[in-house]
Amino acid sequence: QLQLQESGPGLVKPSETLSLTCTVSGGSISSSSYYWGWIRQPPGKGLEWIGSIYYSGSTYYNPSLKSRVTISVDTSKNQFSLKLSSVTAADTAVYYCARHVPDWFDPWGQGTLVTVSS
Amino acid sequence: QSALTQPASVSGSPGQSITISCTGTSSDVGSYNLVSWYQQHPGKAPKLMIYEVSKRPSGVSNRFSGSKSGNTASLTISGLQAEDEADYYCCSYAGSSNVVFGGGTKLTVL
Repeated sequence: QLQLQESGPGLVKPSETLSLTCTVSGGSISSSSYYWGWIRQPPGKGLEWIGSIYYSGSTYYNPSLKSRVTISVDTSKNQFSLKLSSVTAADTAVYYCARHVPDWFDPWGQGTLVTVSS
Repeated sequence: QSALTQPASVSGSPGQSITISCTGTSSDVGSYNLVSWYQQHPGKAPKLMIYEVSKRPSGVSNRFSGSKSGNTASLTISGLQAEDEADYYCCSYAGSSNVVFGGGTKLTVL
């Protein structure tokens, strides 16, 4: 079955760029009708959609994060990636990747904690 | 876009039914039948429980049901079980390829 796995540094310094990759297995990232999304959850808080990408490269971002977010896709590796620039402590969170249809996300990766600290 | 409004907590006894509300606006919940619900146990990734307001993915118990009226969506869990204790989040399409989540509701099974 379809599985997603996040990977990347668990610690990022303030003002630097957070970079994460999501590897999709058990299916093709180039499947039509699906987007691929990033969602985050600060410790003890709720979920926040960061943005999503279609296999063709079309991207959609949360307006509140748009100026700092870049999502890209590598169909040859069946991966998509997140870059979040100029991070602060407020960006400390568990970051999840997930397959995305207009209103639902499924399945989700297990999540990866990224801490912003010097 | 603002987060959808959910009660911070709800509780119920085993066997009872509970309902969690999710209030949005005419720009999100009220405009689209594209509301989903997620269950999240501590330390785990969210799990899709309901999509498109009232549809259940394969494998999700029929004790879980969803509905919508105006700008408010609802998740009902009937025959409450101890394993249902978790955080629940709603999510709505908000137009222009945007998505918004609710703040989350902690369900306690007494």
